[in-house]
Amino acid sequence: RKEVEQDPGPFNVPEGATVAFNCTYSNSASQSFFWYRQDCRKEPKLLMSVYSSGNEDGRFTAQLNRASQYISLLIRDSKLSDSATYLCVVSYTGGFKTIFGAGTRLFVKA
Amino acid sequence: EAQVTQNPRYLITVTGKKLTVTCSQNMNHEYMSWYRQDPGLGLRQIYYSMNVEVTDKGDVPEGYKVSRKEKRNFPLILESPSPNQTSLYFCASSLGTGSDQPQHFGDGTRLSIL
Repeated sequence: RKEVEQDPGPFNVPEGATVAFNCTYSNSASQSFFWYRQDCRKEPKLLMSVYSSGNEDGRFTAQLNRASQYISLLIRDSKLSDSATYLCVVSYTGGFKTIFGAGTRLFVKA
Repeated sequence: EAQVTQNPRYLITVTGKKLTVTCSQNMNHEYMSWYRQDPGLGLRQIYYSMNVEVTDKGDVPEGYKVSRKEKRNFPLILESPSPNQTSLYFCASSLGTGSDQPQHFGDGTRLSIL
């Protein structure tokens, strides 16, 4: 079993739709959680950090459930420019070991 | 401008010819890391460094070496490259490991080993 698992998709949604991604992690020592976005073959860029209390940034909402060991990302009112691969990222306590999920591809269509 | 700079951006070389990919950051970050990205596998951590002269293996360190002699630089060395090291490589840095300290990535280096 992979340490960080994501549904690879692709998710094909129309503009304006709401879409949700989930990510599960297996190591309970996980400390920090992030969502990054990656455009085709470019460098990953931070979308948002994920906090235990949940956090929102405009159209994006991230949630963390430590008991069930998953994090989620909700995108509301999807835009064409949201088309990308979304990467779930987990870092571990006491070091800098970082595990990326394989990513979920999103296509937003007009 | 705050950035992570990798060189070269592209390299085609042959099996066994030693190569070094440089990485430099100008943000005074403590933590630096190297990843490789392959189709269907996502990014996998090769090595990371928590400070000068402190490095540790990630998930796929075989065939790679790193050094951290200065805070700003973290070169990736392939002593004897092989075709299975053909990949897209990213260097990243961060101030720390907390949720408020995300990693910043370089533009990537595309390596082809023939």
